[in-house]
Amino acid sequence: DSGVTQTPKHLITATGQRVTLRCSPRSGDLSVYWYQQSLDQGLQFLIQYYNGEERAKGNILERFSAQQFPDLHSELNLSSLELGDSALYFCASSVDGTGAQDEQYFGPGTRLTVT
Amino acid sequence: DAKTTQPNSMESNEEEPVHLPCNHSTISGTDYIHWYRQLPSQGPEYVIHGLTSNVNNRMASLAIAEDRKSSTLILHRATLRDAAVYYCILTALYGGSQGNLIFGKGTKLSVKP
Repeated sequence: DSGVTQTPKHLITATGQRVTLRCSPRSGDLSVYWYQQSLDQGLQFLIQYYNGEERAKGNILERFSAQQFPDLHSELNLSSLELGDSALYFCASSVDGTGAQDEQYFGPGTRLTVT
Repeated sequence: DAKTTQPNSMESNEEEPVHLPCNHSTISGTDYIHWYRQLPSQGPEYVIHGLTSNVNNRMASLAIAEDRKSSTLILHRATLRDAAVYYCILTALYGGSQGNLIFGKGTKLSVKP
């Protein structure tokens, strides 16, 4: 158990809909990262937040957005969903997030299926 | 971002050592070498990281070549639970993407009983 929790575990929704994925980082970790894992693209970094502020952006679509709240939990919002958005979404956290030495701890993921 | 090259797959016997290679010929002097693994149906798991010197922890050892153009993750006694995809990742000390993990395809390790 990494200490990172993600809800829900599974999500099935229809094209065009909007969903919210939630992540609670390990106690004491200030940084949260979101990753997407699909069969054709592998694991891709989406976005990072540090202590409530956006720190870095990766391959995140404009239809997707995220935020980190004062209690440090984070939410990833996916809108206008397409079939290709079906994937596993992982959240990770680290103590600092400001350096290349950080160890990231991953949650169990949310499996999103868009039908 | 500097790239890494790993074999697609490797096989090992249970209770034998495993050496997982990674080439990173374009590594810069301030890039850290990280290893993560992903067991089936789980999120990635941190294994070990280093900069220049060899590193040991309870899970594995990391051997880094003197010129830092390659590294090897060593599992001293493979167990069935070590069957996973192993990712070798470089993280930049400077620049906007420090700390963010750029995953490649990794090496799928199979462990035979």
